[in-house]
Amino acid sequence: DIQMTQSPSVMSASVGDRVTITCRASQDISNHLAWFQQKSGRVPQRLIYAASSLQSGVPSRFSGSGSGTEFTLTINSLQPEDFATYYCLQHNSYPLTFGGGTKVEIK
Amino acid sequence: QVQLVQSGPEVKKPGASVKISCQASGYTFVDYYIHWVRQAPGQGLEWMGVNNPSAGSTRLAQKFQGGVTMTSDTSTRTVYLEFNSLKFDDTAVYYCARDRGYDDWFDTWGQGTLVTVSS
Repeated sequence: DIQMTQSPSVMSASVGDRVTITCRASQDISNHLAWFQQKSGRVPQRLIYAASSLQSGVPSRFSGSGSGTEFTLTINSLQPEDFATYYCLQHNSYPLTFGGGTKVEIK
Repeated sequence: QVQLVQSGPEVKKPGASVKISCQASGYTFVDYYIHWVRQAPGQGLEWMGVNNPSAGSTRLAQKFQGGVTMTSDTSTRTVYLEFNSLKFDDTAVYYCARDRGYDDWFDTWGQGTLVTVSS
């Protein structure tokens, strides 16, 4: 099984900050990775697909990069509505695996 | 519009069975697989398995083999997740999500179904 190690697990940030979240895959997954945002008590929403493609309707301050085993989600100029938990998902092979999540809290 | 609508919350006793549903609309049902994802209280997302409505086939994560069944009914555009003997730690929100490969992995999710296992 492919393990997805996501870091950090929790981070404190301020409005306007640039935030970077990392997912590391235990083996090469090409660009078969998506990022999701989940606000408390809500359904996860896809932000990024194919590692770096922005989901329609998602603000351009969100971006994804990486391929192979190292991936990054960047939020430029963090907004109040961005405080949430973020997950990566590898869909290169079964079983699909999620990262452990990164909770972005208000500093 | 594309929607996945899930059945309502369930409260069951340990050892009971439960069957929850995910009904699709707004797209060609058999063109997409349906995945199930579990989220225990305060925990992260966990992939459970996937159903292919076109073939009627299922692939489950090893952890769930023998404990859950995924089925589909093309006439009602519905996929089902059934537990045959619930345990306390099956208490969770269960989400369905669709994919057909390409760029459509998990682009649409159901609203979630809370299953509570309590004596």
